[in-house]
Amino acid sequence: DSGVTQTPKHLITATGQRVTLRCSPRSGDLSVYWYQQSLDQGLQFLIQYYNGEERAKGNILERFSAQQFPDLHSELNLSSLELGDSALYFCASSVAEVFADTQYFGPGTRLTVL
Amino acid sequence: AQSVTQPDIHITVSEGASLELRCNYSYGATPYLFWYVQSPGQGLQLLLKYFSGDTLVQGIKGFEAEFKRSQSSFNLRKPSVHWSDAAEYFCARKAAGNKLTFGGGTRVLVKP
Repeated sequence: DSGVTQTPKHLITATGQRVTLRCSPRSGDLSVYWYQQSLDQGLQFLIQYYNGEERAKGNILERFSAQQFPDLHSELNLSSLELGDSALYFCASSVAEVFADTQYFGPGTRLTVL
Repeated sequence: AQSVTQPDIHITVSEGASLELRCNYSYGATPYLFWYVQSPGQGLQLLLKYFSGDTLVQGIKGFEAEFKRSQSSFNLRKPSVHWSDAAEYFCARKAAGNKLTFGGGTRVLVKP
């Protein structure tokens, strides 16, 4: 157990819908990262937050957004869902945003878009 | 762009045999390198990491990895695999902006 929690574990929804994925970092960690794992794209970085502020963006679609709240939990919002958004979404956290920091991953949320 | 390559998509190994998973990284300054394992239906668990110093790194579950700058490699090894080692293994490096760039993964099957 990494100490990073993600809810829900599974999510099944329809095209065009909107969902919210939630992540709670390890106690004391200030940075949160979101990754997407799909069969065709592999593991890809989406976005990073540090202490409530967006710090880095990767291959995140405009239909996707995220935020980190004052209690440091983070939410990833996915809207106008398409079949291709079906994937495993991971959250990771690290102590700070020092390059040498290690990222610890949660169990993931499996999103299925029908 | 900095990248990570895992040349082997699948590896099958007999229980008790040794295992070596290959990882190559592209150009750049001394990379920060990681190996993660993903068991079926599970998240990513950190096995070990390399930042600097001793090029042979020990990790959890009896795994080790060796950093070889001359070969741009960071191969993962285990002397004797157990059935519970069946999983997918990912090599990753830190990239600009503090994100992790992952290889495509190597799926390990363990034969009894």
